[in-house]
Amino acid sequence: GAVVSQHPSWVICKSGTSVKIECRSLDFQATTMFWYRQFPKQSLMLMATSNEGSKATYEQGVEKDKFLINHASLTLSTLTVTSAHPEDSSFYICSARAAGSYQETQYFGPGTRLLVL
Amino acid sequence: EDQVTQSPEALRLQEGESSSLNCSYTVSGLRGLFWYRQDPGKGPEFLFTLYSAGEEKEKERLKATLTKKESFLHITAPKPEDSATYLCAVQHLTGGGNKLTFGTGTQLKVEL
Repeated sequence: GAVVSQHPSWVICKSGTSVKIECRSLDFQATTMFWYRQFPKQSLMLMATSNEGSKATYEQGVEKDKFLINHASLTLSTLTVTSAHPEDSSFYICSARAAGSYQETQYFGPGTRLLVL
Repeated sequence: EDQVTQSPEALRLQEGESSSLNCSYTVSGLRGLFWYRQDPGKGPEFLFTLYSAGEEKEKERLKATLTKKESFLHITAPKPEDSATYLCAVQHLTGGGNKLTFGTGTQLKVEL
């Protein structure tokens, strides 16, 4: 149980293009999903919190117009990196928290490696 | 300031050599402490949640404990497949909602 998938697992794109990453909870419904970024040899940094049917809450320093988040259903959230630049190259990981659960545990996806040339 | 600190940064063990990883935290109103395992190039895998001081959880060769200021992840008779980065994260009242604050992790390598 508590499986989270991400697609694609890796992507290479040219500078200036947009990239969409999908995060799905496969065997549970998630009212809240989270998007993290992880640079080499560093820990996870929360970018935004996404609640189904409402606008995402972004962490300080994260540009909401650059990192567009949509959480249209209880099993799907998407992160779109708009006008990507080389400095956006990173490992992006989503997590999901089960709906109606008294537990606070977040279950993580396998991550998406983004390389912007 | 809310902080989560893990030590050591890296640990090299021989197979069968038991040890402990430390996660110390200074947060206001701890709601839960989480341990995850992360393999290279993959997302974190959930291991344990601890909610109150004195609580202990076990899973195979791993045992997590919690005090008011720190948590330990004890690894008994580790095997090479236990090699990974172990992440500690806390959920706290001042963090707002369901947010987790992660430590920088302990990179464990278990050798034959």
